[in-house]
Amino acid sequence: AQTVTQSQPEMSVQEAETVTLSCTYDTSENNYYLFWYKQPPSRQMILVIRQEAYKQQNATENRFSVNFQKAAKSFSLKISDSQLGDTAMYFCASSKYNTDKLIFGTGTRLQVFP
Amino acid sequence: EPEVTQTPSHQVTQMGQEVILRCVPISNHLYFYWYRQILGQKVEFLVSFYNNEISEKSEIFDDQFSVERPDGSNFTLKIRSTKLEDSAMYFCASSTGTGAYEQYFGPGTRLTVT
Repeated sequence: AQTVTQSQPEMSVQEAETVTLSCTYDTSENNYYLFWYKQPPSRQMILVIRQEAYKQQNATENRFSVNFQKAAKSFSLKISDSQLGDTAMYFCASSKYNTDKLIFGTGTRLQVFP
Repeated sequence: EPEVTQTPSHQVTQMGQEVILRCVPISNHLYFYWYRQILGQKVEFLVSFYNNEISEKSEIFDDQFSVERPDGSNFTLKIRSTKLEDSAMYFCASSTGTGAYEQYFGPGTRLTVT
């Protein structure tokens, strides 16, 4: 069975600094997808970034990038130049190649301080 | 920007009662999902729905649960006889495709069973 683990319940970072959120996963699949979702306070969960496991190149979306280590089954999220609006709960998730079922981690609450 | 909406935002019901949670997915989306999050626990997949039928369901989604797309715009989750352990936040999501396609989440309905 697929599992996703986020070992950091809470993180904090100062505005303009860089922070890395950790995620590890376990799967027996060769093809799968990995995602980071963000849930701001009292707002919808939105997709931040996604990675297809067969792609070696790390995904990047503006200030957000991932460090995908397939052999280590690690998928960390780096947020550069942190902004106050980045304050949110961040969920790491995975899905198998032929299914839409997202498997979520427990989340990391990120607080960005001015 | 189109959003997934859910009603009500909070539902309180007595054990044994039927409850219907409503969702309006984004209009051109074809794939629909329900997830739930018990307080302090992970977001868990319940069911996926495509072309008017269930495409996948989890072990949680037993005979007490059902989904329906009654009128081409709403997507509902019915729990026939609620239990205390059904108390959770229920999230609806929709997407245009499967696999790596982004799932767009609603704000959730908090269900409290007393």
